[in-house]
Amino acid sequence: ELRLVESGGGLVQPGRSLRLSCAASGFNFDDYAMHWVRQAPGKGLEWVSGISWNGDSLDYADSVKGRFTISRDNAKNSLYLQMNSLRREDMALYYCARSPTYASAFDYWGQGTVVTASS
Amino acid sequence: SYELTQPPSVSVSPGQTASITCSGDKLGDKYVYWYQQKPGQSPVLVIYQDNKRPSGIPERFSGSNSGNTATLIISGTQSLDEADYYCQAWDSSTGVFGTGTKVTVL
Repeated sequence: ELRLVESGGGLVQPGRSLRLSCAASGFNFDDYAMHWVRQAPGKGLEWVSGISWNGDSLDYADSVKGRFTISRDNAKNSLYLQMNSLRREDMALYYCARSPTYASAFDYWGQGTVVTASS
Repeated sequence: SYELTQPPSVSVSPGQTASITCSGDKLGDKYVYWYQQKPGQSPVLVIYQDNKRPSGIPERFSGSNSGNTATLIISGTQSLDEADYYCQAWDSSTGVFGTGTKVTVL
């Protein structure tokens, strides 16, 4: 069964860091590019970052460039997003999604993990 | 930065056709993808490469893309098609989503 399971979300103070993970199963992970897409409460979808199957190509949305780092470990079938200097506008539901090639369709999505600002 | 604009809402009667537009500069030069998102659920790909349907997506979903506008058409709309729909394209290596359209089946 195809599965993408995100984890690592939670309460975080603005300015602090958080690392999200996405565990893949049910398909050949290293055959796919992977991405992070987020959705703030009641808002639309925003692409955050993507990485090619071997990690050689990656990019970020301007809104997170310089603060977030995407990486993957094909041996562990896992995708990561290191988020530093978090801002209130980063608080959202973060999905991981796969694509057959880097700039193609997001053909399968996980259920997401929520990043929430603590007071 | 590249932008994709969709109407905020579209209303359609059951059995009728819903058309959702997605506008962007020279969008016809890019591939467009469409996603359906129901409340509390993850997005689902319904159209890829402008007009192709993934396995399992009903034939009533179709797409086109030309000039500055891509269109998702839902023919014979059913109540279960009520959802938010997002177009998406690539601007070089950056993903761009449309603003989203809420489809209401009255």
